Amino acid sequence: GAVVSQHPSWVICKSGTSVKIECRSLDFQATTMFWYRQFPKQSLMLMATSNEGSKATYEQGVEKDKFLINHASLTLSTLTVTSAHPEDSSFYICSAGSGAGAGYEQYFGPGTRLTVT
Amino acid sequence: SQQGEEDPQALSIQEGENATMNCSYKTSINNLQWYRQNSGRGLVHLILIRSNEREKHSGRLRVTLDTSKKSSSLLITASRAADTASYFCVTGANNLFFGTGTRLTVIP
Repeated sequence: GAVVSQHPSWVICKSGTSVKIECRSLDFQATTMFWYRQFPKQSLMLMATSNEGSKATYEQGVEKDKFLINHASLTLSTLTVTSAHPEDSSFYICSAGSGAGAGYEQYFGPGTRLTVT
Repeated sequence: SQQGEEDPQALSIQEGENATMNCSYKTSINNLQWYRQNSGRGLVHLILIRSNEREKHSGRLRVTLDTSKKSSSLLITASRAADTASYFCVTGANNLFFGTGTRLTVIP
């Protein structure tokens, strides 16, 4: 159980276009979903936290107008990279979880590799 | 920010040897987790240790936690080539904060 999927797994787009990445919890309801990005050979950095039905909370330094996050249901969150530029090329990973407190565990998607040309 | 730092950054060992990775973090925690990531792939949860635990085992994995030193270690015994991956220590409950990671290479 606790499977999280992402679509697409990889995408190449031209500079200036927008790209939408989907994150789905397949067998559980995720009250909270998280979006991370990872540059080559670096650690994951949390971009934003989204709760179903409310606005996402962005980490410092992450442009909310550039990275649009929608969490319309308990099983789906989307990240849209608007007006993508080559520096947005990265590995984007979502995770989903429920509950809170000690012992809380997040389940990660397989990631989406975005290349902006 | 509540971020762990792994040591060493990279580790290369022969198959069958043990691999030890260390993690230090900055603030108090409720639990600490270890994840692995194969190159360019998603994350896999390995083990969670709570702040009131000192040691935990799972298969070939052994994790220790020393809250007084704000440090944790991950030991992989009898390593296999398939263990080649990056390993991250992670703190936080709802929002997770990832360490810098250790890139482990196990040579067949």
